[in-house]
Amino acid sequence: SQTIHQWPATLVQPVGSPLSLECTVEGTSNPNLYWYRQAAGRGLQLLFYSVGIGQISSEVPQNLSASRPQDRQFILSSKKLLLSDSGFYLCAWSPRGQEKLFFGSGTQLSVL
Amino acid sequence: KQEVTQIPAALSVPEGENLVLNCSFTDSAIYNLQWFRQDPGKGLTSLLLIQSSQREQTSGRLNASLDKSSGRSTLYIAASQPGDSATYLCAVLDSWGKLQFGAGTQVVVTP
Repeated sequence: SQTIHQWPATLVQPVGSPLSLECTVEGTSNPNLYWYRQAAGRGLQLLFYSVGIGQISSEVPQNLSASRPQDRQFILSSKKLLLSDSGFYLCAWSPRGQEKLFFGSGTQLSVL
Repeated sequence: KQEVTQIPAALSVPEGENLVLNCSFTDSAIYNLQWFRQDPGKGLTSLLLIQSSQREQTSGRLNASLDKSSGRSTLYIAASQPGDSATYLCAVLDSWGKLQFGAGTQVVVTP
């Protein structure tokens, strides 16, 4: 069966520090991969999605970036965090050609 | 631009009552609509997916209806239990192939 792993679960970082959140999917190949951010009381905002290795589409301008170095690995990064980057970050995957989305357990990021 | 709205933002019911959660969207040109459950501090779990050509989907005590022309979906949860307490989110796959989420309805079922 397919599983998705996302870590860390919580992270507290000072303003200006770098960020790296990692997500891996097991039990499938060639998945579509997504990074979402959820602000308190608001819906999920799509940040990045990827349909293949090295193929990243950005949905919103920001100081975050994403990379897909391997088929089932998706990384969210920042060189210098801002206070406004605080939030709940969710990684998700969907089978190629299917629309159902499966989410990781999320990372609560606090930038202080 | 597609906008998804969920009303109410929060709901509290006694155990055993039926739950009715509403979702509305502004652009009827959607491919499908999904309902998700989110427990506090956790990821989302997909509950039901309704294709644009369908009117409803059922899974156990859950039933979701879709009226695409009026831009509405309703999630019914029969005979609610304390374990149903969670935030429920709806999301539509829009004509651009992007999943647009509502802000969710926070449900509390009291014993």
